[in-house]
Amino acid sequence: DAGITQSPRHKVTETGTPVTLRCHQTENHRYMYWYRQDPGHGLRLIHYSYGVKDTDKGEVSDGYSVSRSKTEDFLLTLESATSSQTSVYFCAISDVITSGANVLTFGAGSRLTVL
Amino acid sequence: AQTVTQSQPEMSVQEAETVTLSCTYDTSESDYYLFWYKQPPSRQMILVIRQEAYKQQNATENRFSVNFQKAAKSFSLKISDSQLGDAAMYFCAYNNAGNMLTFGGGTRLMVKP
Repeated sequence: DAGITQSPRHKVTETGTPVTLRCHQTENHRYMYWYRQDPGHGLRLIHYSYGVKDTDKGEVSDGYSVSRSKTEDFLLTLESATSSQTSVYFCAISDVITSGANVLTFGAGSRLTVL
Repeated sequence: AQTVTQSQPEMSVQEAETVTLSCTYDTSESDYYLFWYKQPPSRQMILVIRQEAYKQQNATENRFSVNFQKAAKSFSLKISDSQLGDAAMYFCAYNNAGNMLTFGGGTRLMVKP
C-alpha cells in the first residue's frame, strides 16, 4: 500500500455514536485526502489536507471533520454517525505538485457500517 | 465544477479480446490531467494510466491505451488481449493540476474465459 495504513479496516457502529478513522503514512507526503466510495458515485472527496493543521473541505464534507496534527497522520471523525455514512472510506496521499500531475496513492479502504 | 461521466455501468469481454471503456468529462480548463484507476475485488485502487491534456499523443502502458479527444472531452480506455486479472471496477478521474481528483461513477468489467 505504498506506506499507507488505514485503521480500522472494518467497523460496525450504531447511529449517533462518534467514529474516528485513522490514516497513517510513512512516505512523508504533504497532501492527504479522505474519500468515500458508494455504488454509482465512484469516489467523492470528503476533506483533504495540504500540511500539518491545514485542511479544506471537499465535495461531501457535511457531517465529517478532520484533523492533522502530524505529517504522517490524518484523522476523519464522524461526530454522530448516521446510516447515510455507511460507506467505504479511502485515504490517499500525494506529494508536492511539481509537474502538475497530482497522482494519488490510495490506502486499502475502511468499511464502515452504521446500523 | 468539473464532472466525470462513465456511461457504461458494466461491460464484458472475452478473454484475449479487446474492450473499450468510455469516459467523458466537463471542464472549462485547458490544462488538466486524466487518469484511469483499476479497483479489483481486493478494493485497492491502482493507477492504470494517465494523460496530460497538453500532450496530443495518446498514453499507453503495455496492454492499456487511451483515446484522448480533447475537443470532444472524451477519454476512453482500451484494454487489448484481455486477461482474467483485468476483471475489476475501472474509474476515470480528472484533475485540474490542483489538489482534488474528481471521479466518474465507475464501470465494472467482467472477463469471460
